[in-house]
Amino acid sequence: EAQVTQNPRYLITVTGKKLTVTCSQNMNHEYMSWYRQDPGLGLRQIYYSMNVEVTDKGDVPEGYKVSRKEKRNFPLILESPSPNQTSLYFCASSRAGGGEQYFGPGTRLTVT
Amino acid sequence: ILNVEQSPQSLHVQEGDSTNFTCSFPSSNFYALHWYRWETAKSPEALFVMTLNGDEKKKGRISATLNTKEGYSYLYIKGSQPEDSATYLCAFGPNDMRFGAGTRLTVKP
Repeated sequence: EAQVTQNPRYLITVTGKKLTVTCSQNMNHEYMSWYRQDPGLGLRQIYYSMNVEVTDKGDVPEGYKVSRKEKRNFPLILESPSPNQTSLYFCASSRAGGGEQYFGPGTRLTVT
Repeated sequence: ILNVEQSPQSLHVQEGDSTNFTCSFPSSNFYALHWYRWETAKSPEALFVMTLNGDEKKKGRISATLNTKEGYSYLYIKGSQPEDSATYLCAFGPNDMRFGAGTRLTVKP
């Protein structure tokens, strides 16, 4: 089954404790992206990747890091999480930039 | 900053009504306009990706039109059903995707 998976689905953590949210797709897609969703603001892009070893900042990259060492994986790293990073996070992939995106199930992160 | 605006913010209709909503986007340097359907507690799902001015796309009772010169797209739902209740998002590409805040549609039986 073609899918995008994210782990964990739910996470409660404390300020400053490094965490990684994994994202994996099995569709051999070149393009992957991370978004955060906050009430009233819609989806905002954090980082995206056009291919392996190619990443670029989206609208709200501050406080986040990503890497794309393999085509299927695109982890999101929060080196020192802060409460303003409490949000719902979605990973998405598409065959190419501009193509229809397939979204993962979402990760709800709470930073206290 | 390229802004994508959607209106209305929310819409309540009766089962069987037809409805439409708008997505406005910058008309310069157009690449692609996406529509997604997002049900509560689920993930957004792609409806359409539109790239050509004048494009019209249809999927069942849902259709969309695109005007790249004036920077707007309409999404139409014919004969709304309760299962159409969702938030409808539009997004402007190509790679640095910008999403509108969505139109939340509620269809009452």
